[in-house]
Amino acid sequence: AQTVTQSQPEMSVQEAETVTLSCTYDTSENNYYLFWYKQPPSRQMILVIRQEAYKQQNATENRFSVNFQKAAKSFSLKISDSQLGDTAMYFCAFMIHGSGNTGKLIFGQGTTLQVKP
Amino acid sequence: DVKVTQSSRYLVKRTGEKVFLECVQDMDHENMFWYRQDPGLGLRLIYFSYDVKMKEKGDIPEGYSVSREKKERFSLILESASTNQTSMYLCASYGGVFGQPQHFGDGTRLSIL
Repeated sequence: AQTVTQSQPEMSVQEAETVTLSCTYDTSENNYYLFWYKQPPSRQMILVIRQEAYKQQNATENRFSVNFQKAAKSFSLKISDSQLGDTAMYFCAFMIHGSGNTGKLIFGQGTTLQVKP
Repeated sequence: DVKVTQSSRYLVKRTGEKVFLECVQDMDHENMFWYRQDPGLGLRLIYFSYDVKMKEKGDIPEGYSVSREKKERFSLILESASTNQTSMYLCASYGGVFGQPQHFGDGTRLSIL
């Protein structure tokens, strides 16, 4: 079974500090991508960062970076210099190629992050 | 930029009504998806479509159907709405290049009374 687990339902961080959101996943596939999506309150879900499973180098996008541990099937998101606008629900997800490129995503349960002033 | 538009942000319907949720994308994407989002459960796939008139069940299709008569439009239908279908519904589209992200609409918060 393909699953994604986000074990932290809620987290909070002070503005300007660093926070790490955890994500583990399970798949027997070798060809897949991992994603972190952000859903601000009452706003659209948007992509934060993605990682190709074949790439060992961890992806970074400005203040957002991941720690991808393929053997452990772990894909955590680090947010540096947290800003009030980072307050949102964050979803970890993965996409496998499998027998057809459908683009289907498997999502975790989500982590609600609150950045405090 | 890809734009995915859902027809309503908020919708209130009564038990037993037939409910239509509409989604339109402007990027000529082949694949479109309907998800249901509930607290603690993340996003669960209801149905997806990989071409006009083509559809495939997701993880929770019971009580729902879909229609894709045109490439840009994907509709979710609640045949006879029930209170347990009160939820947030998200539509997404996907361009077909493996690893490209899905693009989401703003969501429809549906309440069934």
